[in-house]
Amino acid sequence: AQSVTQLGSHVSVSEGALVLLRCNYSSSVPPYLFWYVQYPNQGLQLLLKYTTGATLVKGINGFEAEFKKSETSFHLTKPSAHMSDAAEYFCAVSVDDYKLSFGAGTTVTVRA
Amino acid sequence: GAGVSQSPSNKVTEKGKDVELRCDPISGHTALYWYRQSLGQGLEFLIYFQGNSAPDKSGLPSDRFSAERTGGSVSTLTIQRTQQEDSAVYLCASSPPSRNTQYFGPGTRLTVL
Repeated sequence: AQSVTQLGSHVSVSEGALVLLRCNYSSSVPPYLFWYVQYPNQGLQLLLKYTTGATLVKGINGFEAEFKKSETSFHLTKPSAHMSDAAEYFCAVSVDDYKLSFGAGTTVTVRA
Repeated sequence: GAGVSQSPSNKVTEKGKDVELRCDPISGHTALYWYRQSLGQGLEFLIYFQGNSAPDKSGLPSDRFSAERTGGSVSTLTIQRTQQEDSAVYLCASSPPSRNTQYFGPGTRLTVL
């Protein structure tokens, strides 16, 4: 079975500062890894995904994540936070190519 | 193009009543998924449909929950004899044949009084 741990249920950053959201996974086989974002009263939107190949993955809205197998991590970063980045972010893992297991989510607030 | 749509967006029902939630996937997507998002349990997988294959129902929490997918397109999630713990947002997603990217709808917020 696979699982995901997101460190920190709430992160507050200043506008223009680095955004770092931590995700660690456990899986007995090579996983597929995803980051999704959820804005209030909306569904989930895919930010980026790792399947195979390059371990540094670039997504939408300036986000990127790096797959580190040795650390079983897939942390999400953005160099400079924008007010529009305020949302809830979910890390997810899949080992069977369809069933997603989600972390508990991290809520990001951006201070002006 | 059109995304995944779900209806109704909000549903309030009384304990013990049956409810049906609808999902229209993206045209051409062969796979369809239901998830539940609740305060206590986070995001949970419920059921997965792929083409004409038997669905993976391993995430359904009880036999009060069922789902069907007609004609390989629209899906209905039915909850019988609703309980207060069924209150949650029910999310539907679909994916193309490659399967590894799921596109989510806006969800149906179910409140059981």
